[in-house]
Amino acid sequence: ETGVTQTPRHLVMGMTNKKSLKCEQHLGHNAMYWYKQSAKKPLELMFVYSLEERVENNSVPSRFSPECPNSSHLFLHLHTLQPEDSALYLCASSQDLGGMGADTQYFGPGTRLTVL
Amino acid sequence: AQTVTQSQPEMSVQEAETVTLSCTYDTSESDYYLFWYKQPPSRQMILVIRQEAYKQQNATENRFSVNFQKAAKSFSLKISDSQLGDAAMYFCAYRRGNSGGSNYKLTFGKGTLLTVNP
Repeated sequence: ETGVTQTPRHLVMGMTNKKSLKCEQHLGHNAMYWYKQSAKKPLELMFVYSLEERVENNSVPSRFSPECPNSSHLFLHLHTLQPEDSALYLCASSQDLGGMGADTQYFGPGTRLTVL
Repeated sequence: AQTVTQSQPEMSVQEAETVTLSCTYDTSESDYYLFWYKQPPSRQMILVIRQEAYKQQNATENRFSVNFQKAAKSFSLKISDSQLGDAAMYFCAYRRGNSGGSNYKLTFGKGTLLTVNP
């Protein structure tokens, strides 16, 4: 596989469930990102990792818990979500965080999450 | 804080015709980058074109070109010879320059849904 992949593509969960979203990048990049895309709203940056260290937590509720075990993989663990958390969750990666390497972010196809 | 505004929620164009999507932004910085991303129904966000603010020349990528007006803070995307595969949501995005902190952050507009009619 090439680029950035995300699994699952669709997820339906109840408010008491625990689930995880997975992102994998095959580009040799050092930085990875989680975004939330809701209808009629701009993309919202949630978390940023650089070399497996979290460098940004954009005031995201603790029911979203990211994990970056290595520079190729990024997870988003979900627990006791609310219906308003239903959205498309996009993962992205870039060569580096700073300088020219941060220029282009490459996105995955997203996970469509529905919270009942 | 930087903001990006796309005033056209939806646009349509006839196949083979030209369409222009509008984007304005607000920033107090002089060093920054602007991007157009395309999100087709497959949902994968794809970079279409980027522009460095310090470059006066408008960026071009095949059938895609921009009209960058720095003083007016305007960054429109022109799609020439529109094809059915161009149908997608188009997002304008801003990133501060390399000399600024947190310069990995992209600020996106709300998007313009482009329909291409055969």
